[in-house]
Amino acid sequence: AQSVTQLGSHVSVSEGALVLLRCNYSSSVPPYLFWYVQYPNQGLQLLLKYTSAATLVKGINGFEAEFKKSETSFHLTKPSAHMSDAAEYFCAVTSSNTGKLIFGQGTTLQVKP
Amino acid sequence: AAGVIQSPRHLIKEKRETATLKCYPIPRHDTVYWYQQGPGQDPQFLISFYEKMQSDKGSIPDRFSAQQFSDYHSELNMSSLELGDSALYFCASSSQWRERTDTQYFGPGTRLTVL
Repeated sequence: AQSVTQLGSHVSVSEGALVLLRCNYSSSVPPYLFWYVQYPNQGLQLLLKYTSAATLVKGINGFEAEFKKSETSFHLTKPSAHMSDAAEYFCAVTSSNTGKLIFGQGTTLQVKP
Repeated sequence: AAGVIQSPRHLIKEKRETATLKCYPIPRHDTVYWYQQGPGQDPQFLISFYEKMQSDKGSIPDRFSAQQFSDYHSELNMSSLELGDSALYFCASSSQWRERTDTQYFGPGTRLTVL
């Protein structure tokens, strides 16, 4: 069975500081991993996805994530936070048999001026 | 670019009533997924359809049913509504069910409030 764990339900950074959102996965098969962002009262928007092509994945809005098999991690980073990055971030993995997404608990990113 | 359309965006119902949520996938997408997101929670998979056939089922109550029609739109029918059904219901679509790497594109969601 697949699962993801997001460490830290709330992360607060200053504008311009590094953003690091943590995600660890558990999977019995090679995982396909995703990061989605959700702004208040909106749907989920894909930031980036890992599909085994490259371990360092670049996404939209300056975000990137690195797949580390040895650490079973897929942490999301951004060098410099912007006020508009404040949102809920979800890490997700696809199930082994179907395309359904299994989400982590989410991390709320707060950006302080 | 066309996105996933969900209607209605907001729905208020009384307990024991029924509700129907609609989802219109991105054109040429053949797979639809339904997720339920409770307040402060992560989205939970309910059910999915590929080419109008149910492809997977999650923790969907027996009071709920869904189907995908010939034009690929999908409807989630909810009966005997309970207070605990109040949530944000997302529909997502993708173009290749058999490709786990394929991106699921989410609609804006339907916020259901049961009073």
